[in-house]
Amino acid sequence: GDSVTQMEGPVTLSEEAFLTINCTYTATGYPSLFWYVQYPGEGLQLLLKATKADDKGSNKGFEATYRKETTSFHLEKGSVQVSDSAVYFCALTPNAGGTSYGKLTFGQGTILTVHP
Amino acid sequence: EAGVAQSPRYKIIEKRQSVAFWCNPISGHATLYWYQQILGQGPKLLIQFQNNGVVDDSQLPKDRFSAERLKGVDSTLKIQPAKLEDSAVYLCASSLEGLTYEQYFGPGTRLTVT
Repeated sequence: GDSVTQMEGPVTLSEEAFLTINCTYTATGYPSLFWYVQYPGEGLQLLLKATKADDKGSNKGFEATYRKETTSFHLEKGSVQVSDSAVYFCALTPNAGGTSYGKLTFGQGTILTVHP
Repeated sequence: EAGVAQSPRYKIIEKRQSVAFWCNPISGHATLYWYQQILGQGPKLLIQFQNNGVVDDSQLPKDRFSAERLKGVDSTLKIQPAKLEDSAVYLCASSLEGLTYEQYFGPGTRLTVT
């Protein structure tokens, strides 16, 4: 079945540092890929998405590129802020058009803490 | 626009007791999801409702878990009897129509079974 693997965490950075959170996936065909974020005390929310190979999703300074050849979707940000402290989840959904499109498979989550 | 509401936010029970969680989705959202998130793991879908009908409950442990969505709005997830391995955060999410990745999540209920 489909699966998502995220880098082991937690990740602790100083403000303005560069962030990378690795994500790799196993799925048939061409899934759509997502990053969700969960801020303290809040529900998960969609951060960015990419629906086909080589697409780059971006939002709030975060970026991730859909790499079919390496089955990866790594999350990056050039300069993190204290307010970016949260849990980040990589996720996928099967091919568009299938009956399971929209059904989400999540990675285990990566806790990010940014210090001033 | 009000978000997805869940209650209680925290619950501690002993094993073999029963517990119920409540979810109120965003107004107008026809689809409602319940997820289980065990510590150190990503959320796992337990059940999906479309209005008041069940679309997918393939990962719901039906011997102890039950869920209903009366009148296609609020939903209740029940565990009876609880086991230690049920300790987790239970997330409710909703979406406008049908199965979609555009889901809006509530803050969750953290259950501890002792």
